[in-house]
Amino acid sequence: GNSVTQMEGPVTLSEEAFLTINCTYTATGYPSLFWYVQYPGEGLQLLLKATKADDKGSNKGFEATYRKETTSFHLEKGSVQVSDSAVYFCALKKGGSEKLVFGKGTKLTVNP
Amino acid sequence: GAVVSQHPSWVICKSGTSVKIECRSLDFQATTMFWYRQFPKQSLMLMATSNEGSKATYEQGVEKDKFLINHASLTLSTLTVTSAHPEDSSFYICSAYADRVDGADTQYFGPGTRLTVL
Repeated sequence: GNSVTQMEGPVTLSEEAFLTINCTYTATGYPSLFWYVQYPGEGLQLLLKATKADDKGSNKGFEATYRKETTSFHLEKGSVQVSDSAVYFCALKKGGSEKLVFGKGTKLTVNP
Repeated sequence: GAVVSQHPSWVICKSGTSVKIECRSLDFQATTMFWYRQFPKQSLMLMATSNEGSKATYEQGVEKDKFLINHASLTLSTLTVTSAHPEDSSFYICSAYADRVDGADTQYFGPGTRLTVL
């Protein structure tokens, strides 16, 4: 079946540090891949997405590249801010379906 | 744009009672809404897909008679947890699928409802 595995948290960084949150997936065919972010007290928001191999999604300084050969979609940011503190979810969606399959989420805390 | 609300944000009830959770798309119409359940330190698990004007489609292992879903309008879906028991305590999240809102197909999520059954 389809599944998403992301690194367990929590992750604690200092402001301006480099961030990587690993995400790998198992799926048949060619899924679309997503990163969602959940700020405290709010609903999940789409952060970025990629729909085919080698696509790079980017938003708010975050980037992730769809790597079919390694079935990965790692999230990166060069310099994190305190306001980036949130829970980050990696997810996939199979073509022809609107159903999302989520990873367990990674909590990020950025200290000033 | 594309805001989804849930009500209530948290609820505490006695075992054996029923609880209704509302999910509303505030500024767009959603033909499809999804209901998820999230346990602590676990991923979101899809419970059911709710389509306006038709019966919900439940995921394998989800009890249809326990979790009643109604999608009576293009902006409202409700989840009723019937005869709730402590094991139903969880965080319930809804999302609304927006076709081409903001130029992209995507799901917009509500903030979630924390249910505690005593």
